[in-house]
Amino acid sequence: GQQVMQIPQYQHVQEGEDFTTYCNSSTTLSNIQWYKQRPGGHPVFLIQLVKSGEVKKQKRLTFQFGEAKKNSSLHITATQTTDVGTYFCGASLAGTASKLTFGTGTRLQVTL
Amino acid sequence: GAGVSQSPSNKVTEKGKDVELRCDPISGHTALYWYRQSLGQGLEFLIYFQGNSAPDKSGLPSDRFSAERTGGSVSTLTIQRTQQEDSAVYLCASRRTGSYEQYFGPGTRLTVT
Repeated sequence: GQQVMQIPQYQHVQEGEDFTTYCNSSTTLSNIQWYKQRPGGHPVFLIQLVKSGEVKKQKRLTFQFGEAKKNSSLHITATQTTDVGTYFCGASLAGTASKLTFGTGTRLQVTL
Repeated sequence: GAGVSQSPSNKVTEKGKDVELRCDPISGHTALYWYRQSLGQGLEFLIYFQGNSAPDKSGLPSDRFSAERTGGSVSTLTIQRTQQEDSAVYLCASRRTGSYEQYFGPGTRLTVT
């Protein structure tokens, strides 16, 4: 079945440092979504990317979809303690746009 | 409005017993998903309901797992003859037709002793 690899599994940064998580698929994707799960909470939708090479920004967060639509990244500039949590990518294959396969997530820890 | 609700929030059961987990999606959302999240792990897809279509059961790990969605609204995930490896948080999510965003419930933490 489709596998979605996400790296790194864990990253610990100091507040103000940048952070990036990567999501990779062996197959071409229809679209990719990103979710954030705070400790003890449930996943919350951040964004969806659909077009090849698409880049979207939300304040300090930058999301990118690869040209081949097989990978994606989430970059956070100047992390804050409020960014703590686990970031998941959810990928869907062409023709199955409603069903997501989630990556294993990247847990971000931010300290002062 | 109200979000996705799940009950119970916590369930402790003995190995071999059956359990039922309930999900109330956001009103009007036609799509409903069940996921399993083991400790520190990702989200494992279990089953997907879309309107009146046959559900996509491709993620159910064994025939001990089943799910129903009555009247296109409330869903129940049933695990028969529970095993210790079934211990996890079971998350439900719903989605509105025409949208791609999934709204997750708070989950049910299942512990099998």
